[in-house]
Amino acid sequence: GESVGLHLPTLSVQEGDNSIINCAYSNSASDYFIWYKQESGKGPQFIIDIRSNMDKRQGQRVTVLLNKTVKHLSLQIAATQPGDSAVYFCAENSGGSNYKLTFGKGTLLTVNP
Amino acid sequence: DAGVIQSPRHEVTEMGQEVTLRCKPISGHNSLFWYRQTMMRGLELLIYFNNNVPIDDSGMPEDRFSAKMPNASFSTLKIQPSEPRDSAVYFCASTTTGGNEKLFFGSGTQLSVL
Repeated sequence: GESVGLHLPTLSVQEGDNSIINCAYSNSASDYFIWYKQESGKGPQFIIDIRSNMDKRQGQRVTVLLNKTVKHLSLQIAATQPGDSAVYFCAENSGGSNYKLTFGKGTLLTVNP
Repeated sequence: DAGVIQSPRHEVTEMGQEVTLRCKPISGHNSLFWYRQTMMRGLELLIYFNNNVPIDDSGMPEDRFSAKMPNASFSTLKIQPSEPRDSAVYFCASTTTGGNEKLFFGSGTQLSVL
């Protein structure tokens, strides 16, 4: 999950396993959530988004789950590949803002071959 | 599609010098954002432009920071004078939705102020 501080939470998985990355968001008024992937030396890359009127959304090999009751978001990656190794950020639309995003601190995913 | 283009990729300067970071958003995108990323504070929104007009600059840390968007295809972020605590990676992002959906980020400018 996310945390404040110098050290990123880290998740290490074997290639082919499923990965689950968790995020606790802060503002109960936020109604739009996004997951970004950031590889070393690159900018964040959009993965998948979800609105608060949904609790699950699926993409290609990725699923986002939203639990508004406990303000929790998760990203599931199926059949994790070495190319999935990166830092993953969740973001919320800062209390319903139509332009401002609040990003979590990130989780480092390492995929072992 | 070349994506969001930022320059320079790396900038090393001395305290007190002026620094100018540049961004070319994706053609057709009408919203542009400048973010700063540090290990301590993560990704922070500095300023947001919509249709070349600054909408929210509340994230700009101090008067030493300024941003302009003279046209739809170019934006600058200037720091004058720079300080060591400005050292960070600065990202530009754009989107066509007029808001915060599906932002496309550039590769960033790694700024080091000595």
